[in-house]
Amino acid sequence: KAGVTQTPRYLIKTRGQQVTLSCSPISGHRSVSWYQQTPGQGLQFLFEYFSETQRNKGNFPGRFSGRQFSNSRSEMNVSTLELGDSALYLCASSFRYNEQFFGPGTRLTVL
Amino acid sequence: KQEVTQIPAALSVPEGENLVLNCSFTDSAIYNLQWFRQDPGKGLTSLLLIQSSQREQTSGRLNASLDKSSGRSTLYIAASQPGDSATYLCAVRSDFGNEKLTFGTGTRLTIIP
Repeated sequence: KAGVTQTPRYLIKTRGQQVTLSCSPISGHRSVSWYQQTPGQGLQFLFEYFSETQRNKGNFPGRFSGRQFSNSRSEMNVSTLELGDSALYLCASSFRYNEQFFGPGTRLTVL
Repeated sequence: KQEVTQIPAALSVPEGENLVLNCSFTDSAIYNLQWFRQDPGKGLTSLLLIQSSQREQTSGRLNASLDKSSGRSTLYIAASQPGDSATYLCAVRSDFGNEKLTFGTGTRLTIIP
């Protein structure tokens, strides 16, 4: 069974631009969660999608948004990028509140 | 608000030793707890999941225990190897119906050959 995949693996953007990250969950998993990891704040929950609906949202500004498609693939978007958005963005998938499996992450650098 | 703490932040031990990593959480009303390892610049690898009704889980040289009443979990690694060097993170899922994981800050483990 293929694991969670994320694309792209690396991104370099400049302040003010927007970016879209993609996540494909493990086959059969309908829940996809997104996390931001930084050296200062650690791993922080962004949001979770299930069956194309956002079920939970973390404490991030509205510049961070996401969506989920009917095949459970998910995208997250960050608009008007700031230097502080530089981070490793991780997505995770799970089946019915059990073990969460993470992808390799997308490393975003904002210049 | 759930808070998860891992102490120490870093640990170095000689190869072959057994070791214990600690995780504590403030709200004992958890649904489950998961241990992960993270290699530098990589994603998280799931090691063990313990449901709130369980006391421990084992996988190979790893054993995780859970004491909900005291808000603690430990990850025991037997016969450590250099390949065990990584950052170990524990994460708590607080509610059924909520996939959000609250993570600790991790313990960076170095196994000295």
